[in-house]
Order: sequence, then C-alpha cells, then structure tokens
Amino acid sequence: DAKTTQPTSMDCAEGRAANLPCNHSTISGNEYVYWYRQIHSQGPQYIIHGLKNNETNEMASLIITEDRKSSTLILPHATLRDTAVYYCIVRVRNSGYSTLTFGKGTMLLVSP
Amino acid sequence: KAGVTQTPRYLIKTRGQQVTLSCSPISGHRSVSWYQQTPGQGLQFLFEYFSETQRNKGNFPGRFSGRQFSNSRSEMNVSTLELGDSALYLCASSTSPPGANVLTFGAGSRLTVL
Repeated sequence: DAKTTQPTSMDCAEGRAANLPCNHSTISGNEYVYWYRQIHSQGPQYIIHGLKNNETNEMASLIITEDRKSSTLILPHATLRDTAVYYCIVRVRNSGYSTLTFGKGTMLLVSP
Repeated sequence: KAGVTQTPRYLIKTRGQQVTLSCSPISGHRSVSWYQQTPGQGLQFLFEYFSETQRNKGNFPGRFSGRQFSNSRSEMNVSTLELGDSALYLCASSTSPPGANVLTFGAGSRLTVL
C-alpha cells in the first residue's frame, strides 16, 4: 500500500470550511484514497473514498489532484463535533483483505 | 440498525491472566477485523475473519488469537497478559468479502493490565 503524509495538526474556526491535505505521491493506478476519522475514545468512522474523480457525500467532499499524488478532504461547515483525528489511507480495492494501515493522521481542532 | 457491539467496554486484568473480548458485527456483515490502539503505536491490525476463517493476520505474538462463529460473531483472546497489552481493542465489520475497505468500527474494549 502507498504511504501517506498528513500534517500533524490543524485548526479551524467553527462554521468555516476545514481542508485537510494528504500526500500520496507513490500511489499506484489501482489504489483508492480512503478517509476515516476518530473522535476521542470512539472507534474510527468511515467518511469517504475515491479513485480519481472528486467525490461528495453528506459528510464531506474529497478532491483528488489530476496526477493523484495528493488529495484534500473538505468539511464544508466545520462544527465542534468535527474535532477528531483524520486518517488518509491509500489502499487497493477488493484486494481480498480488509486490512487498513492507519498512520498518525491529522488532529483537527475546531474552535468556537 | 444496530452497529458493531463490543463487550466488555472496560476491563482490568493483572499480568499473567488471560482475557476474551467479544464482537457482534452489523447484521449481514460477514467480515470482522480486530485492531489494537495504543498511544505509542497507534492503530495496528491484529487479524481478519471471513466465513469463520482467518484471512489475514498482523504482526502480533501467538498470545493473541481469535475466532469467528457461524453467526459472524467474533472473539479475540489474549493469554499471559503483559503490561504492554493495555490498549483499546477495536472490532470492525464490513458487508462485502474481504477487501472492500469500508469498515464500521465498534466503540472498543479498553483493557488495562496491572
């Protein structure tokens, strides 16, 4: 699986958009980008995933660059409840195993 | 629908004892994975089960074992507990055969070894 690089921490004001970057310069053609988050003392929560097109769901938007070497998770209107560690994971889909390799992620702090 | 249920939520054991943790996946989910989370090592994959068969195993000693039952419920066991086994143990289930990568996690079982 390709390695990812994320900033250690980020701050965001409540109500503003939170843009969380992820670098995955060694991503291969059949690898997807997955985002999970973990609120303190809870299990990780799946947010969104994509291959090369931008994706949007009720939680967030995922923007993947044309060369697929980086991506940005966008929380359009961050709330205090979005304070969490966000993990970017690059993984082959349907590899036969659901093993996810979590890095250290980005600690997003949303402030009033 | 009910999420992934893990029991017990909290437990305290002493060194040398053994512990069994239980995980009930979302109804219809047949793949169950286990992860260990510690402040120092972060989230680490333990093992994955599908249709009562272990499909993949992480880099943990043989003291860590698991199994899956015909109803997809899973248990993991840690024998001869060490202080370093203190961690949050997370179970996750998914609907597809292994490899879908969209996992639903439970709230975890927090184990403290004294």
